[in-house]
Amino acid sequence: DAKTTQPNSMESNEEEPVHLPCNHSTISGTDYIHWYRQLPSQGPEYVIHGLTSNVNNRMASLAIAEDRKSSTLILHRATLRDAAVYYCILRENLGYALNFGKGTSLLVTP
Amino acid sequence: NAGVTQTPKFRILKIGQSMTLQCTQDMNHNYMYWYRQDPGMGLKLIYYSVGAGITDKGEVPNGYNVSRSTTEDFPLRLELAAPSQTSVYFCASSSRQGAISYQETQYFGPGTRLLVL
Repeated sequence: DAKTTQPNSMESNEEEPVHLPCNHSTISGTDYIHWYRQLPSQGPEYVIHGLTSNVNNRMASLAIAEDRKSSTLILHRATLRDAAVYYCILRENLGYALNFGKGTSLLVTP
Repeated sequence: NAGVTQTPKFRILKIGQSMTLQCTQDMNHNYMYWYRQDPGMGLKLIYYSVGAGITDKGEVPNGYNVSRSTTEDFPLRLELAAPSQTSVYFCASSSRQGAISYQETQYFGPGTRLLVL
């Protein structure tokens, strides 16, 4: 399975943009890039996903490199509620499990 | 919609005891999953179900059993609890068309924290 690499932790100030990187150099041509986040003491929640083009939704934006070997989750204005562990996950066309790694723990300070 | 609900929220078991973790979803999803999350780690798949009456093993099924008699419910049974089963258990569900998974979104419950002493 293709793997992802994320920094263990990042810190941001409230109301500033946050760029969370993910490397996936062995991604295959049909793998989708998914992001989930897990708030403290809660279950994971879906954030966004994409294949090749940049994607936007109400929660975040996903910027995908042209060679697809890396991607960046962008939170446009971090709030205290965005403090969570963010997981970058590759999804194949088949399979059942979401392959959560350790993710990036985002700390947001006032 | 309540989404995915799990009971209990927290439980302490003695070694060798048994229990059932309950999971219910009200989104009419066909797929359901059980994951466990050990401290500081990501989630690992225990069992999954593609519909009522159909279940299969995930990555870490030993010590667990499941059943799926209805679309809504997917209970996880622990027989002979061991300290290694101390973890947080998450149930998830999704709506997907057959085996195609690359755009699937899984919806998670709040988790059950289990301590085996």
